[in-house]
Amino acid sequence: EIVLTQSPATLSLSPGERVTLSCRASQSVGRYLAWYQQKPGQAPRLLIYDAFNRATGIPARFSGSGSGTDFTLTISTLEPEDFAIYYCQQRNDWPRTFGQGTKVEIK
Amino acid sequence: EVQLVESGGGLVKPGGSLRLSCAASGFTFSSSSMNWVRQAPGKGLEWVSSISSSGTYIYYADSLKGRITTSRDNAKNLVYLQMNSLRADDTAVYFCAKSLTDRLDWFDPWGQGTLVTVSS
Repeated sequence: EIVLTQSPATLSLSPGERVTLSCRASQSVGRYLAWYQQKPGQAPRLLIYDAFNRATGIPARFSGSGSGTDFTLTISTLEPEDFAIYYCQQRNDWPRTFGQGTKVEIK
Repeated sequence: EVQLVESGGGLVKPGGSLRLSCAASGFTFSSSSMNWVRQAPGKGLEWVSSISSSGTYIYYADSLKGRITTSRDNAKNLVYLQMNSLRADDTAVYFCAKSLTDRLDWFDPWGQGTLVTVSS
């Protein structure tokens, strides 16, 4: 199965900062990678799919890049509501797999 | 508005069975692939199963294969997850999610989940 490794595990930041999250795949997934955001007690929400497409209603401060094995989620200016856990997920092959998550916490 | 409402979770003894349901509304259910994802307490997300719009194609996580069956009723806008031989490590919130398009692709949106607790 394709293993997704996210880094770092935790980021401590202040509102207004720029955020860069990494997701590395154990083998190429092409552009078949998505990013989800999950807040405590809530279901995950799709942010980015096919590596760089923003899902409906997602603010422009969220952007995705990468292909093959290395992907990045960038939040250009961190807003208070962005403190959450972020997961990457691949759909290049079965089984679908998620990364272990990166927690973005308030510094 | 798309709505997904899971039900059927609860407390079950090890070795027991449970059938989860996901009621869908607000979209053309018969044209949509559906998915199950679970999350153990305090842990990350784990894909469980996906089923194509007609039910022809069904995929399962290896860790659950042989113990779960996914099905759907397009007349009732329901998708099911039958779980057997439950173990303590199956304790999790089980989310139902629609596929973003009519293909077996991304998970969007998600229901609020139903908690399954396996304990004696």
